[in-house]
Amino acid sequence: AQTVTQSQPEMSVQEAETVTLSCTYDTSESDYYLFWYKQPPSRQMILVIRQEAYKQQNATENRFSVNFQKAAKSFSLKISDSQLGDAAMYFCAYRSTSGTYKYIFGTGTRLKVLA
Amino acid sequence: DTGVSQDPRHKITKRGQNVTFRCDPISEHNRLYWYRQTLGQGPEFLTYFQNEAQLEKSRLLSDRFSAERPKGSFSTLEIQRTEQGDSAMYLCASRRVREDQETQYFGPGTRLLVL
Repeated sequence: AQTVTQSQPEMSVQEAETVTLSCTYDTSESDYYLFWYKQPPSRQMILVIRQEAYKQQNATENRFSVNFQKAAKSFSLKISDSQLGDAAMYFCAYRSTSGTYKYIFGTGTRLKVLA
Repeated sequence: DTGVSQDPRHKITKRGQNVTFRCDPISEHNRLYWYRQTLGQGPEFLTYFQNEAQLEKSRLLSDRFSAERPKGSFSTLEIQRTEQGDSAMYLCASRRVREDQETQYFGPGTRLLVL
């Protein structure tokens, strides 16, 4: 069975600085998807960024980028030029390319942005 | 595209009572998922519908839980004889199937407190 681990329960970053959130996973599959979702307080989860395992190039979405290390089974999220609106819980998720496409989530990292 | 909606947003009930939650997915999404999120944890998969067919149920879904999706549109999740351990956020997500890489869109969740 696949597992996702987020070892940082909480992180803090100064506004305008850069922060990296860590995620590791375990799977025997060779093809899969990885996601970072953001869950602001009392609001719904929204997709931040997605990575296909068969793509070697790291995904980037504006200030958000990932460092995908397939052999190490590592998938970290880098947030550049942090903004107050980035404060939220961030969840790393794994999804197989077969079956029901359900997500397997990590336990989350709470990001605080300091003004 | 009005997003995934869930009702109610909050529910407080006494132990032993039955509760029912509703999820309205995005209109063209025929895949629907229920997840449960307890405090300090990431969401955990409960069940999956493809149109009106319930194709997968997690072992977390005890016999006190039942989910339906009549006509492949909205879905309901019922918990009978609630227990304090059922207190959690119940999340609904939907996706379309045009492409393999389609992601799930989450609703705001229903927060259940069992007293």
